[in-house]
Amino acid sequence: EEQLVESGGNLVQPGGSLRLSCVASGFSFRKYWMQWVRQDPGKGLVWVSSIYSDGSRTLYADSVKGRFTISGDNAKNTLYLQMNSLTVEDTAIYYCVRAGARNYGVDVWGLGTTVTVS
Amino acid sequence: DIQMTQSPSSLSASVGDRVTITCRASQTMINSLNWYQQKPGKAPQLLIYDVFLLQSGVASRFSGSGSGSDFTLTISSLQPEDCATYYCQQSRSPPYTFGQGTKLEIK
Repeated sequence: EEQLVESGGNLVQPGGSLRLSCVASGFSFRKYWMQWVRQDPGKGLVWVSSIYSDGSRTLYADSVKGRFTISGDNAKNTLYLQMNSLTVEDTAIYYCVRAGARNYGVDVWGLGTTVTVS
Repeated sequence: DIQMTQSPSSLSASVGDRVTITCRASQTMINSLNWYQQKPGKAPQLLIYDVFLLQSGVASRFSGSGSGSDFTLTISSLQPEDCATYYCQQSRSPPYTFGQGTKLEIK
């Protein structure tokens, strides 16, 4: 079974840092666009960042550009999101996802990890 | 950025009803339109990709259609387990924007 399991979410003060991790199982993520999507409490979904898992291309939402860094470790089949200079607006559930459907529909979602900035 | 606008934002329907949710993009899409279902406390799940292709394991009562900038998700015969929030998303160009969601309740 193809799975994504996130970890690293926590309560952090404004200006602080966190690193989220996402372990992929059941597939080799080196062949896919991997992404982070977040959901503010009780609100909608927002794309945060993408990486082609060979690291050849990374993309960021304007709201996190310069503060967040996406990376991957193919040997560990693990995706990361380094989050610096956190603000209260970054409070959300962060989902690790695989954009594996044709034209990059998100076909595998993790359970999410909660980041609270307060 | 491509803006995605869903309507309605919420609706209530009875079991067996035909339900339609629409999504309008601010630019023309070239097939890269996806639909997701999210139940309370759960991660979203892919229902439809590339406008009309049904994701494996998804019930056949779900279908997608549309072209250009106007798209539709249809549930042909509403079931109790379809109570959820539905999102459209464009994956044509970053930022890969989602619609604001449509909350579907069962009468």
